[in-house]
Amino acid sequence: DTGVSQNPRHKITKRGQNVTFRCDPISEHNRLYWYRQTLGQGPEFLTYFQNEAQLEKSRLLSDRFSAERPKGSFSTLEIQRTEQGDSAMYLCASSPPESPLHFGNGTRLTVT
Amino acid sequence: QKEVEQNSGPLSVPEGAIASLNCTYSDRGSQSFFWYRQYSGKSPELIMFIYSNGDKEDGRFTAQLNKASQYVSLLIRDSQPSDSATYLCAVYGHGGYQKVTFGTGTKLQVIP
Repeated sequence: DTGVSQNPRHKITKRGQNVTFRCDPISEHNRLYWYRQTLGQGPEFLTYFQNEAQLEKSRLLSDRFSAERPKGSFSTLEIQRTEQGDSAMYLCASSPPESPLHFGNGTRLTVT
Repeated sequence: QKEVEQNSGPLSVPEGAIASLNCTYSDRGSQSFFWYRQYSGKSPELIMFIYSNGDKEDGRFTAQLNKASQYVSLLIRDSQPSDSATYLCAVYGHGGYQKVTFGTGTKLQVIP
């Protein structure tokens, strides 16, 4: 069990640029979740996958956000035309069904 | 009404005392409940999970669940300064909605 891996750890980008984050889940976990967290708040649900199928996406998520999980393994989260309000910690977690989530170390995004 | 509600704190307790953290949830059908600890700048780590009404103990931690009242709590006995962190309550949705929703977290400060 090598844990959930997220890359990069930190990303600084200029407003209007596109960014992509990667998450490698624990290998036997078929569920993968993306959350966003800002200072003083709990993790905010963005989307989750069961295998390669994206089962739910937050209504709060604009069309600038997209996530994929090809072949049910790693996942990517892309943010297009970044805005300063996108600055946050982006957390990925994986789990078997109905089991606790295991989090990666997160990707901290700063939009200047 | 928020899906998962916690008092944001901070909750201050002296070293050696019992810390009591509370959480209420809105989805009456929820069956799985988790407590995570999050140190500043780090990702959440699982400390307890509970599925059935009643108490579940693990070392200094006790989780309590009352589904009728839609209430889950975490007790930390013999609190230590190293317990100072934010504690997040998380709830699995039921049926086809398997997303995990987090509260905003309660910040605990253990005073030496």
